[in-house]
Amino acid sequence: NAGVMQNPRHLVRRRGQEARLRCSPMKGHSHVYWYRQLPEEGLKFMVYLQKENIIDESGMPKERFSAEFPKEGPSILRIQQVVRGDSAAYFCASSPGPFREDTQYFGPGTRLTVL
Amino acid sequence: GNSVTQMEGPVTLSEEAFLTINCTYTATGYPSLFWYVQYPGEGLQLLLKATKADDKGSNKGFEATYRKETTSFHLEKGSVQVSDSAVYFCASDRRGTGFQKLVFGTGTRLLVSP
Repeated sequence: NAGVMQNPRHLVRRRGQEARLRCSPMKGHSHVYWYRQLPEEGLKFMVYLQKENIIDESGMPKERFSAEFPKEGPSILRIQQVVRGDSAAYFCASSPGPFREDTQYFGPGTRLTVL
Repeated sequence: GNSVTQMEGPVTLSEEAFLTINCTYTATGYPSLFWYVQYPGEGLQLLLKATKADDKGSNKGFEATYRKETTSFHLEKGSVQVSDSAVYFCASDRRGTGFQKLVFGTGTRLLVSP
């Protein structure tokens, strides 16, 4: 039973380029969460999605960041016109249900470096 | 809003030593509390959790007790092994959101030597 998959594991971009981070949830999970970990900080919630719906995006920066979870395929976190401050580890998690009791299962993360 | 504070690392111990990693939280209401562990190159894994005051979570020899009076959830293990070397994250969830919206501490790296 494969866990949560994220790719790429490492991504290097130059300032102004776009970054696309992919997350495939565990089999049977239709709830996805994205977190960002800046250097020397804890993971911070960004967005919670269900299939084809954004439920809570209160942690997403207002500009340049977007997320989707289409009916088919992985969830995508997209960062347009990256800046050095976007360098961080981005973690995806999935859960079997939408409730507080549902455990989140995390992927290994994508390390984004902006040159 | 919620916040979680945990002790800075790295924590360096010899095998079979006693482990304590401190964690305190601030929150409105009564959040659930969690400890996650991250082994090198892997994602975070839920280690244990507690959902109400005085609950004790336990798993793989690790324990933590939800202390409302001190707003703490310290992680303990009586005898650590080299295989316990990892980064440990304390977390709480935010009530009123309807889903598990986690707030994490900065993580504490544990290094256990033979």
